[in-house]
Amino acid sequence: KQEVTQIPAALSVPEGENLVLNCSFTDSAIYNLQWFRQDPGKGLTSLLLIQSSQREQTSGRLNASLDKSSGRSTLYIAASQPGDSATYLCAVRRDTGGFKTIFGAGTRLFVKA
Amino acid sequence: DGGITQSPKYLFRKEGQNVTLSCEQNLNHDAMYWYRQDPGQGLRLIYYSQIVNDFQKGDIAEGYSVSREKKESFPLTVTSAQKNPTAFYLCASNWDSSQPQHFGDGTRLSIL
Repeated sequence: KQEVTQIPAALSVPEGENLVLNCSFTDSAIYNLQWFRQDPGKGLTSLLLIQSSQREQTSGRLNASLDKSSGRSTLYIAASQPGDSATYLCAVRRDTGGFKTIFGAGTRLFVKA
Repeated sequence: DGGITQSPKYLFRKEGQNVTLSCEQNLNHDAMYWYRQDPGQGLRLIYYSQIVNDFQKGDIAEGYSVSREKKESFPLTVTSAQKNPTAFYLCASNWDSSQPQHFGDGTRLSIL
């Protein structure tokens, strides 16, 4: 059974710091992995999607990497800003079993001005 | 602008009552999904639909029902059989499973 874990559950950093959020999954047979941002009381906003054949994806100050063999993905945020404060979730779509996607519980990020 | 609209934003249910949450998308996506989010937990899949008039149970379908009569609409009914319905409900859609999922802003359901 696929399980997705995100550590730490919460993180506080000063503005301008570079940071890394971690996501681990137990079954390496994945189709793709997606990183989302969620603001309080809101839905999820897709940040990056990495297909299983890819190693990383970049968008602006964000870079996501994928290592299927070790069951890990990281989201790197460069030069963090207070506006980056949100909960970040990763989600893994299984290689089998249809359209089911398994979500981690998220990392709550707070960037201090 | 294209997107996913969920309504209402807040909903209250009385004991023994069925309630329906609306989800409409104008992205022309084929696949639609319903998730439940509880505090401190990841999203859990309730139902999903790949095409009109077809839908599949997710991991926690008991006490819920859906319909997919139109491509743009995927309403979720929370029945009285769902004994712990208090949660944040999120609807999502995409072209297919290789594409990013797009989410609505959610409906928060509470028990009176």
